[in-house]
Amino acid sequence: DAKTTQPTSMDCAEGRAANLPCNHSTISGNEYVYWYRQIHSQGPQYIIHGLKNNETNEMASLIITEDRKSSTLILPHATLRDTAVYYCIVSRDSSYKLIFGSGTRLLVRP
Amino acid sequence: ETGVTQSPTHLIKTRGQQVTLRCSSQSGHNTVSWYQQALGQGPQFIFQYYREEENGRGNFPPRFSGLQFPNYSSELNVNALELDDSALYLCASSFKEDSYEQYFGPGTRLTVT
Repeated sequence: DAKTTQPTSMDCAEGRAANLPCNHSTISGNEYVYWYRQIHSQGPQYIIHGLKNNETNEMASLIITEDRKSSTLILPHATLRDTAVYYCIVSRDSSYKLIFGSGTRLLVRP
Repeated sequence: ETGVTQSPTHLIKTRGQQVTLRCSSQSGHNTVSWYQQALGQGPQFIFQYYREEENGRGNFPPRFSGLQFPNYSSELNVNALELDDSALYLCASSFKEDSYEQYFGPGTRLTVT
């Protein structure tokens, strides 16, 4: 599975969009990009995933560059409850092991 | 709420002891994975069970073992506890044949003294 690189921490103001970048320059053609987040003292929670097209669900949007070497998770209107560690994961098989890095610690400021 | 439960919530053990952690998967799920999360780090894959058989293992020694039962509940056993085993232990369940999401439980916080 490809390795991912994320900034250690970010912050944004409540109500503004939070844009979390992820580099995965060694991604293979059959590997998906997954995003999970972990709110303090809870288990990780799935957010969204994609292969090469941009994806949107009720929680977030995922923008994947055309060469698939990087992606951005967008929380369109961040709230205080979005404060968490966000993990970008690349995997061929989401039902098998997930390789978590250190993630990005997002702080949403009032 | 993911429907995945773990017990106990917290546990304190002494070095050299043995511990069993339990996980109840979401209804209908046939796969369970266990992860270890040390303080300040991301979760690390320990192993996965699919239909009661081990289906892959991470870089953990044999003193970490597991079981999955016919009702798809699961146990993680750790023998000869070491101080470095202190961590949050997470289980995650999924339906292997048709799922892109793993559902995590809240974890068990193990402290080894």
